[in-house]
Amino acid sequence: AQKITQTQPGMFVQEKEAVTLDCTYDTSDQSYGLFWYKQPSSGEMIFLIYQGSYDEQNATEGRYSLNFQKARKSANLVISASQLGDSAMYFCAMREDRMTTDSWGKLQFGAGTQVVVTP
Amino acid sequence: NAGVTQNPKFQVLKTGQSMTLQCAQDMNHNSMYWYRQDPGMGLRLIYYSASEGTTDKGEVPNGYNVSRLNKREFSLRLESAAPSQTSVYFCASSLDSGTNEKLFFGSGTQLSVL
Repeated sequence: AQKITQTQPGMFVQEKEAVTLDCTYDTSDQSYGLFWYKQPSSGEMIFLIYQGSYDEQNATEGRYSLNFQKARKSANLVISASQLGDSAMYFCAMREDRMTTDSWGKLQFGAGTQVVVTP
Repeated sequence: NAGVTQNPKFQVLKTGQSMTLQCAQDMNHNSMYWYRQDPGMGLRLIYYSASEGTTDKGEVPNGYNVSRLNKREFSLRLESAAPSQTSVYFCASSLDSGTNEKLFFGSGTQLSVL
């Protein structure tokens, strides 16, 4: 079963605008971690931001923030003041904690959202 | 500090050929991973090694084998390559397998099987 769902295959955003990338996840664990990675056209995977399931505050890292809604099992990434260099594929990922599951220890990724920032 | 190093960066194989993808990390990490990336499917875990001496199957292990040679190195072997294994392969590592541990990725290997 798909654990991470990113429903937006691609989106355009104008420079200096904010953009929200959707991510929903499926887990019965109480303890888990959520991650966002960026993959520019050069291909490398760049870590952006992390949110723990027990964190009470939404995570922020510079222009990136994570809108964490635990009851809805969503972890949307918000990029404020978009820049041309933000054009990339963005992946949401989750790591579960319960050692009795096959998925323990493994970082599972969604299919990604392609973002294109236009001038 | 090189981080995670993968070799080769590009490879073309004929169906049935074998090859080994090499991966090494210099961050003293315990956990290492192999992913493949196909268009529209994100990254899918092939195998991972939670610590030296252990390996475990991921989501798509068929057709692959791995060896955790030591703490630094984790290799992925294709014994008899098939066109369906055409993909971009990423090696990654993390300090351990805790829920808060982010992965550090290598630069990837573009593999084409003809």
